Amino acid sequence: GDSVTQMEGPVTLSEEAFLTINCTYTATGYPSLFWYVQYPGEGLQLLLKATKADDKGSNKGFEATYRKETTSFHLEKGSVQVSDSAVYFCALTPYNQGGKLIFGQGTELSVKP
Amino acid sequence: GAVVSQHPSWVICKSGTSVKIECRSLDFQATTMFWYRQFPKQSLMLMATSNEGSKATYEQGVEKDKFLINHASLTLSTLTVTSAHPEDSSFYICSASGSLWAFFGQGTRLTVV
Repeated sequence: GDSVTQMEGPVTLSEEAFLTINCTYTATGYPSLFWYVQYPGEGLQLLLKATKADDKGSNKGFEATYRKETTSFHLEKGSVQVSDSAVYFCALTPYNQGGKLIFGQGTELSVKP
Repeated sequence: GAVVSQHPSWVICKSGTSVKIECRSLDFQATTMFWYRQFPKQSLMLMATSNEGSKATYEQGVEKDKFLINHASLTLSTLTVTSAHPEDSSFYICSASGSLWAFFGQGTRLTVV
């Protein structure tokens, strides 16, 4: 079945460092791809999404590009802040199953001042 | 974005009792609602998918007699954890979808003592 694999954490960076969190997926057809963020004790917030190959999702300085040839959707940010400390989840919605989400295992990011 | 309200945000119950969690879509009609479970420092696992007016579809390994799901209207779904035990302690999150996208509730932290 469809699945998502993302790099293990925790990832610890200094403020203003460059961030990459790798995400790859296995799916039939053309899934939609997402990044969600979860702050401690809270629910999920949608960070960005992409619905077709070569689409780039972006929000709050984060971006990710839907790469069908490498089945990847890596999250990047040029300069992280302490407030970006959270757990980041890569997810996909299988083709024609609107609303259903399959999540990666999550990557904890800790940004130090 | 659309608003999904989940209630309660936290609950403590005694072992053997039942707990009901509500998920409401406040400003749109949710034809499909999803229930997820998240153990500490782990990812979200889909428990079941419910469509308004029909029986829920449970993922493999999820006990449907223990986790009762009702989706009686286009704005409300409920998850009842019956005869709760300490191993049912977890973070439960719902999402609601009226089209391609799903919107998440804030989550409910259940502690069974």
